[in-house]
Amino acid sequence: AQKITQTQPGMFVQEKEAVTLDCTYDTSDPSYGLFWYKQPSSGEMIFLIYQGSYDQQNATEGRYSLNFQKARKSANLVISASQLGDSAMYFCAMREGEVNTGGFKTIFGAGTRLFVKA
Amino acid sequence: GAGVSQSPSNKVTEKGKDVELRCDPISGHTALYWYRQSLGQGLEFLIYFQGNSAPDKSGLPSDRFSAERTGGSVSTLTIQRTQQEDSAVYLCASSHFLSGRRPPSGNTIYFGEGSWLTVV
Repeated sequence: AQKITQTQPGMFVQEKEAVTLDCTYDTSDPSYGLFWYKQPSSGEMIFLIYQGSYDQQNATEGRYSLNFQKARKSANLVISASQLGDSAMYFCAMREGEVNTGGFKTIFGAGTRLFVKA
Repeated sequence: GAGVSQSPSNKVTEKGKDVELRCDPISGHTALYWYRQSLGQGLEFLIYFQGNSAPDKSGLPSDRFSAERTGGSVSTLTIQRTQQEDSAVYLCASSHFLSGRRPPSGNTIYFGEGSWLTVV
């Protein structure tokens, strides 16, 4: 069965510093995708970054990078140069069966609330 | 449409009443998902549709919950005999699987703004 674990309920980071949000997953499917979403206080879900299980390199999108360690089944999100606007809830998610059209079920972790201090 | 549209955006209902929540996914998206999010909590998977079929209904909390999707487009989540513990935000999302295409152009799940349900 799929499982996503985010062990940090809350994190504080100083503005302009980098922060790492942890995510571990468990799956027996060799083909899967990993997502990170941001949910500000407004409630919308904003897609940040994606990593496919067969990708050779870690994904990067601007200030976001995904530290993908396949053997350890971890997909930590790194936010560089934190900004006050980064304060939000962050969710890690996993979808199995990325290589074929049969896989759509996507589950989310419990989330990490990030507070950026001025 | 341009994005995932959900209605109603807010619903207050009396305990015991039935409610219907509607989701209109992004045009052409084959997959549609329903999640529930209680205040300050994570996203609880309810059900997803691949076209009009629902391969996985395991997340539905009880038999009071049901969902359908017709024409590969609009979906309705129905909660019968609502209870106070049903109060939450119900989020709908959709995605289009394009083999070999990386997000955001392919595979990304796009969310609606949610339907806030309060059972009193």
